[in-house]
Order: sequence, then structure tokens, then C-alpha cells
Amino acid sequence: AQTVTQSQPEMSVQEAETVTLSCTYDTSESDYYLFWYKQPPSRQMILVIRQEAYKQQNATENRFSVNFQKAAKSFSLKISDSQLGDAAMYFCAYRKGNTGKLIFGQGTTLQVKP
Amino acid sequence: ETGVTQTPRHLVMGMTNKKSLKCEQHLGHNAMYWYKQSAKKPLELMFVYSLEERVENNSVPSRFSPECPNSSHLFLHLHTLQPEDSALYLCASSSQSRNGELFFGEGSRLTVL
Repeated sequence: AQTVTQSQPEMSVQEAETVTLSCTYDTSESDYYLFWYKQPPSRQMILVIRQEAYKQQNATENRFSVNFQKAAKSFSLKISDSQLGDAAMYFCAYRKGNTGKLIFGQGTTLQVKP
Repeated sequence: ETGVTQTPRHLVMGMTNKKSLKCEQHLGHNAMYWYKQSAKKPLELMFVYSLEERVENNSVPSRFSPECPNSSHLFLHLHTLQPEDSALYLCASSSQSRNGELFFGEGSRLTVL
């Protein structure tokens, strides 16, 4: 069975600094997708960034980038130039192939200090 | 316009009550999901509906009963719940494309007394 592990329950970063959130996963599949979702307090969960397993190039979305290490089954999220609005719970998620089913990690709460 | 709307946002019910959670999506998606989010635990997938057919039921107790009358609406009927069922219940929808990301509603916060 596929599993997703986020080993950092809480992280903090100074405004304008860079922070990296860790995620590891376990799967025997070759066709899958990885995601980072952001859930601000009392607000809906939104997609931050997506990575297709067949792509070697790391995905980037503005200040957000990933370090995808397929052999190590590692998928970390780097947030550059952190902003107060980045404070939220971040979830790493795995999806097998063409299914819609997402398997989530436990989440990491990110605090951004002014 | 969030795309996925859940009502009510907050619900308090006794163990003998019957209530329902509603989810509506305005994105033209054909798959809808119920997730349970409890403190200190990963999100748990409860049910998946694809083209209005239930395609997954992750061993959810029968006191939770989903209903998908059409591709835009999803309900979760609740009856004789337990206090440990208190959680945030998230609805999501997606298209069937390979890049179909999930779009989430804001959730329904359920408290069972």
C-alpha cells in the first residue's frame, strides 16, 4: 500500500527567508503524481504545486519549488522569500496514475515570523 | 466563488440525531470525494464517486451514508454518530483527466456531543 510521511509536524521561518518542508512516500508504482497542498487556518485547501513522476525536472511555481528525488522517494517543498500569507498547514499527497484518489501525509504546520 | 461549496460550515449534533452535509461543485467535474480530517491524523479518504457511481468506500461505518444524485451534488447523511466522529469533513471534486487536481471545499466542522 502507498504511504506518505511528513516527519515535521511544525516548522517556522523568518519572513523573507527560505524554508524546506520534507516528504517521503512509498510506492511500487511507476506512474504517479505528487502534490503539495496548502490549508490556511479556517480556509479551503488549495494546490500549491504538482510533480509528475515521469518528469525528471523539478516543478516550480513562483516562490515554490520541489526537490523530487525519485530513487529516494523524497519530495520536499522549498518556499523562497517567505511571506506572512504562507503561514498554513502544508500537506504532501500522492496519487496513483489516472485515479483521483489522493493519499495525504500528516501535514506540517508552517509559522512565518515577521 | 470557491468552486466547491459545503454546507453547513459548522454542525453540532447529538448521538441520536440525523443530519446531512451537502457539497456542490460548479466546476463541471465528474468525480467527487468525501475526506475526514481529524487532528494529528492524515486526511482519510471516505468515499469516491465517479460519474455518480460510488467507486470507493474505505471501510467507513454504516452510520455515514453518502449520496450523489448528480455530478454536481454530493451528500453525506449522518445518523447515530459517536463523539469520535467529530472532525472536519472535506468535500472535493476533480475531472477525469490525468492532470485532474482535486479542488476542495472549505469543509464542514462536525461536533458530536
